[in-house]
Amino acid sequence: QKEVEQDPGPLSVPEGAIVSLNCTYSNSAFQYFMWYRQYSRKGPELLMYTYSSGNKEDGRFTAQVDKSSKYISLFIRDSQPSDSATYLCAMSGLSGGSNYKLTFGKGTLLTVNP
Amino acid sequence: GAVVSQHPSRVICKSGTSVKIECRSLDFQATTMFWYRQFPKKSLMLMATSNEGSKATYEQGVEKDKFLINHASLTLSTLTVTSAHPEDSSFYICSASTSGGGGPNEQFFGPGTRLTVL
Repeated sequence: QKEVEQDPGPLSVPEGAIVSLNCTYSNSAFQYFMWYRQYSRKGPELLMYTYSSGNKEDGRFTAQVDKSSKYISLFIRDSQPSDSATYLCAMSGLSGGSNYKLTFGKGTLLTVNP
Repeated sequence: GAVVSQHPSRVICKSGTSVKIECRSLDFQATTMFWYRQFPKKSLMLMATSNEGSKATYEQGVEKDKFLINHASLTLSTLTVTSAHPEDSSFYICSASTSGGGGPNEQFFGPGTRLTVL
């Protein structure tokens, strides 16, 4: 079993739809949970991060973490064509020394159609 | 703030040659830099972690003699792919951290370098 599982999609939705993206993981040592957005041929940019279980909201984006189920979600409300990108979940925990090593999912390709 | 650049953005080289990729933190000092490789429709895979002034720590399965990493200053790290082969063709992304002990929100990614080996 891979450490982080993410459905690669592709996912296509109409503008204004609510988008739900999910990841599951197996390593119970993960402490930080992140969502990155990556446009084609670009580096990832951090959208949201949460520490441990709970919800976090930022504008149209809501991140949820359920550590008991080892399941994280990202919800996008009122989706826009500009949200079209690949969304990567990532997780980390303190790993030896003081560096935080990120483990990424494969990414879900999202297309929001006008 | 927190801008990371990479150069070149795209490089095509012949098999057997070496290629150097630069990663710079433009407006902050990066004590730690990370190098990732991303294949199409695959995850970002961490290759190595480097701290300024010390040797890089490579992930299991990554050949340190093939992927040479130098982190000579707080704003520059370089990755050299030596004797490149077509299977080394990939998207290489660096990230920089303001402190190795900070949370993941302190890891800023560069725009990536697409390497094609003919």
